[in-house]
Amino acid sequence: GAGVSQSPSNKVTEKGKDVELRCDPISGHTALYWYRQSLGQGLEFLIYFQGNSAPDKSGLPSDRFSAERTGGSVSTLTIQRTQQEDSAVYLCASSLEQGRVETQYFGPGTRLLVL
Amino acid sequence: QKEVEQDPGPLSVPEGAIVSLNCTYSNSAFQYFMWYRQYSRKGPELLMYTYSSGNKEDGRFTAQVDKSSKYISLFIRDSQPSDSATYLCAMSKTAGNKLTFGGGTRVLVKP
Repeated sequence: GAGVSQSPSNKVTEKGKDVELRCDPISGHTALYWYRQSLGQGLEFLIYFQGNSAPDKSGLPSDRFSAERTGGSVSTLTIQRTQQEDSAVYLCASSLEQGRVETQYFGPGTRLLVL
Repeated sequence: QKEVEQDPGPLSVPEGAIVSLNCTYSNSAFQYFMWYRQYSRKGPELLMYTYSSGNKEDGRFTAQVDKSSKYISLFIRDSQPSDSATYLCAMSKTAGNKLTFGGGTRVLVKP
């Protein structure tokens, strides 16, 4: 079956612009995670959804970052007023259900470059 | 200091050799331990998963967890050029919780 998909694959934007990153999880997966991977910081947790609610937003680096999930499926990560330090690969993962940490499946990521 | 430390490498080995990877961590609350493999420009894929201390073997891969030393290892036997990738350790405090990753070790298996 289809895996986790993310769009766009690559995004180049100018400093100060807003960007939206999309994640389509594996069908039927109720848990969804956003991570960020950068050269200096490695792979870092951003936010976790169970269904449409986000019980853990502790990794969002600032109030410029927000995410939503609708219909228990697609999720959008929005970065407002982008800064150069936001340049990174944004990875999405989904899991069949809460409590199954070993089954987090990752998408290919969106590579964001802020000029 | 990061919660999970991992040598960035690169680690270069000849084909057929044993690859030895490890991570150390500082938070004793971690109970679930994973190893992911990531090829260039791809997302991480789960290789091994271990709960608490002990060993786990799957084909050419063996994962070890020593909670008393806060140290985990991954061994790859009979390494192949296709094993060339970045290997990430990850851990979690509870099932279904967020993962905390090491920085990754880049491995190169030379034919």
